[in-house]
Amino acid sequence: GDSVTQMEGPVTLSEEAFLTINCTYTATGYPSLFWYVQYPGEGLQLLLKATKADDKGSNKGFEATYRKETTSFHLEKGSVQVSDSAVYFCALSDLSDYKLSFGAGTTVTVRA
Amino acid sequence: SAVISQKPSRDICQRGTSLTIQCQVDSQVTMMFWYRQQPGQSLTLIATANQGSEATYESGFVIDKFPISRPNLTFSTLTVSNMSPEDSSIYLCSVTLPLEQYFGPGTRLTVT
Repeated sequence: GDSVTQMEGPVTLSEEAFLTINCTYTATGYPSLFWYVQYPGEGLQLLLKATKADDKGSNKGFEATYRKETTSFHLEKGSVQVSDSAVYFCALSDLSDYKLSFGAGTTVTVRA
Repeated sequence: SAVISQKPSRDICQRGTSLTIQCQVDSQVTMMFWYRQQPGQSLTLIATANQGSEATYESGFVIDKFPISRPNLTFSTLTVSNMSPEDSSIYLCSVTLPLEQYFGPGTRLTVT
């Protein structure tokens, strides 16, 4: 079945550092790919998405590109802030049933 | 977009009892999902609840333990039956709109 492998944390960075969280997937079809974020004490929010190969999703300075050839969807941000401290989940969805498969989640802590 | 509310937001329950979690959406949606997030873990899909049909359960989840109702296009309930400490988790409902899923704030359940 479909699955997501995500770089596990925790990841600790200093403010203004570059962040990369690796995500690779296994799917039989052509899934849509997502990054969700869960801030401390809050619910799950969609951060960005990409629905087909070579699409780039972006939001709040974060970017991820759907790479079909490497089956990857790595999350990047060039300059993190303390407010980016959260748990980040990579996920995929088969549009035939819209079920989401999540990676393990990566806890990111940004220090001032 | 969709705004989802869940009740209760949190509860502490004794083992052997049952808890019903409600999920209300501000618009009519066909597909609704229930997920579980165990402490420090990722999200796992429990079941898909479509209005007008029986819920479809994922491997490892059964109707006797997690009965679901879906009486209309804006509402669903998940019951956690005969609870044990292993059921302590955050339970989230989710709805699908085209190419995007929205999550409720979650119900944090602690079983003692």
